[in-house]
Amino acid sequence: QKEVEQDPGPLSVPEGAIVSLNCTYSNSAFQYFMWYRQYSRKGPELLMYTYSSGNKEDGRFTAQVDKSSKYISLFIRDSQPSDSATYLCAMRDSGNTPLVFGKGTRLSVIA
Amino acid sequence: EAQVTQNPRYLITVTGKKLTVTCSQNMNHEYMSWYRQDPGLGLRQIYYSMNVEVTDKGDVPEGYKVSRKEKRNFPLILESPSPNQTSLYFCASGLGLSWRPREYFGPGTRLTVL
Repeated sequence: QKEVEQDPGPLSVPEGAIVSLNCTYSNSAFQYFMWYRQYSRKGPELLMYTYSSGNKEDGRFTAQVDKSSKYISLFIRDSQPSDSATYLCAMRDSGNTPLVFGKGTRLSVIA
Repeated sequence: EAQVTQNPRYLITVTGKKLTVTCSQNMNHEYMSWYRQDPGLGLRQIYYSMNVEVTDKGDVPEGYKVSRKEKRNFPLILESPSPNQTSLYFCASGLGLSWRPREYFGPGTRLTVL
């Protein structure tokens, strides 16, 4: 079993839809959870960062972590064509250990 | 502007010809790392460095070397490139602190080994 599982998609939604992206993981020591957004031909950029369990909201984006289920989610409200990108979940157990990435979910928001 | 820079951005080479991809950051970050990204395999870490003169293997270190002689630079060296090292490479840097684990990524280097 891979440490981090993420459905690669592709996921195609109409503009304005609510998007739900998810990752599951197996290492219960993970406590830092991140979502990166990667546009085509660009490097990943940090979108959301959460420590331990709980929710975090930033504008149209909400990150949720459920450590009991080893499950994290990213919700995008009122999705826009500019949200079309690959979304990568990433996690680590401390600030000094390597990030473990999911394979990424490719999202297309259609106008 | 705070950034991670990589050079070259694109490189086509032949099997066995040594090459170096440079990485530099201007954020005074302790932590730097190299990743490769391949379709269907995602981002995989090659090497990372917690500080000057300190480097550690990531998930896929075979065929690569790194050095960290200065805080700002972390070059990736392929002594004898092979076609299976054709990939998109990213350098990243961060504070490497438990409460600030964020990594900043460079723009990527697309390498083709013929």
